[in-house]
Formats: sequence, C-alpha cells, structure tokens
Amino acid sequence: DTEVTQTPKHLVMGMTNKKSLKCEQHMGHRAMYWYKQKAKKPPELMFVYSYEKLSINESVPSRFSPECPNSSLLNLHLHALQPEDSALYLCASSHPGQSNEKLFFGSGTQLSVL
Amino acid sequence: QKEVEQNSGPLSVPEGAIASLNCTYSDRGSQSFFWYRQYSGKSPELIMFIYSNGDKEDGRFTAQLNKASQYVSLLIRDSQPSDSATYLCAGEGTDSWGKLQFGAGTQVVVTP
Repeated sequence: DTEVTQTPKHLVMGMTNKKSLKCEQHMGHRAMYWYKQKAKKPPELMFVYSYEKLSINESVPSRFSPECPNSSLLNLHLHALQPEDSALYLCASSHPGQSNEKLFFGSGTQLSVL
Repeated sequence: QKEVEQNSGPLSVPEGAIASLNCTYSDRGSQSFFWYRQYSGKSPELIMFIYSNGDKEDGRFTAQLNKASQYVSLLIRDSQPSDSATYLCAGEGTDSWGKLQFGAGTQVVVTP
C-alpha cells in the first residue's frame, strides 16, 4: 500500500471560517509533510513532522496550524485565511532522518478562499 | 540560495519520439534526485529517483546524474500522449532530508 489519503478533495471557505484538512497513511512512514502548490508553480514546503513532532516550520503564518495526532494522521487546521491562500494543499510521507528517502504525495485538497 | 533549475517548456514531442528533460542544481551537497510527473490538477507522482552517477533505467524512463556537472536528466522513450504532463525535478541535500528543493517543472506535450 503506497497510498496517502487526503480529505476533503475540494474545499471552499470564507475568510472567517475554521476548517481542517486531513491526511492519513499506512505505510509505516514516520515523517509527514504539508506542501502548498499554486497553479503552474512547484510545491512549497510548509511543515514537516518527524516521529509526531514538528521538525520544520517554513515560517508559515499562524492562520495555518498543523497537528499530528499519531504516526498515521496529519491535520492542517485553517482559520481566518486570505484569498491568496487558495491553492492545492498536498500531504506527503516518507521515512524520516535518512537521505535518499522517497516522498509520496496524497491526491491533495484544492482549497478556495472567498 | 540552493536552487534547482528546469526549462519550463512547453517541450513538444512527437508521439513515439524521445523526450529529453534537463535539470541543473546549485547545491554540491545534494545526494538524491527525484523526478515527479504531475498531471494538471493532480498531485505529483514519483516516477524515478537516482542517487549515483550514471544512468538508471526503468521501463521507458532513464534518469541520468552527473554530480561533477551538477546535472540531472530524464529521458522518456517512445513518448505517448499519456506522457503529456509537467515533470518536476527535485533534489535533496545531505543535511536537509525532508526539504526537497523542487525545480519549476517542465511541461511536456506529446503530439499524435
């Protein structure tokens, strides 16, 4: 099973809403990631969790709040987003702490902020 | 700033021909390189990875790495219309696992 599952696939929210993106993997990976991708741009790293601890935060605004409840789950809590936050949000997983480890992406959540 | 550079394309390739995609990187410490294929509106899919100098073949795909020249390439043989996508090159440094540096991507269009 090489699948990373993300829900929802599409999300439309207002600037005052609170919503959450969810990600799940059962590959035994202990590193999980959130990336943001704008149209016709490469993915940009937001957060990395290693063994359920936040190891990298790429100076992401506090309106994005990650959470890793266990080794299989990763959430991204959204609050007071701006229209420019509209993008494809990608979850990924890999084995942590080793170079050469392959990153597997989920299908993504297409987010629109109105 | 450590960078991965790709031509954005589009690269137009006749069906059945070889598509050649190139990528250069600035971080001499980068050890691992990955090629992802991304269809419009979909997520990136890992298609090739290479760690050692030389060629690595997998089906119709061949990845080439030249660390001295800081150059990575991907060849797609017998190109099919289903190969039309954006191909992202990504590199990982020795001290930066988890922080893949992505190129901007090359759009490939295979014409029947």
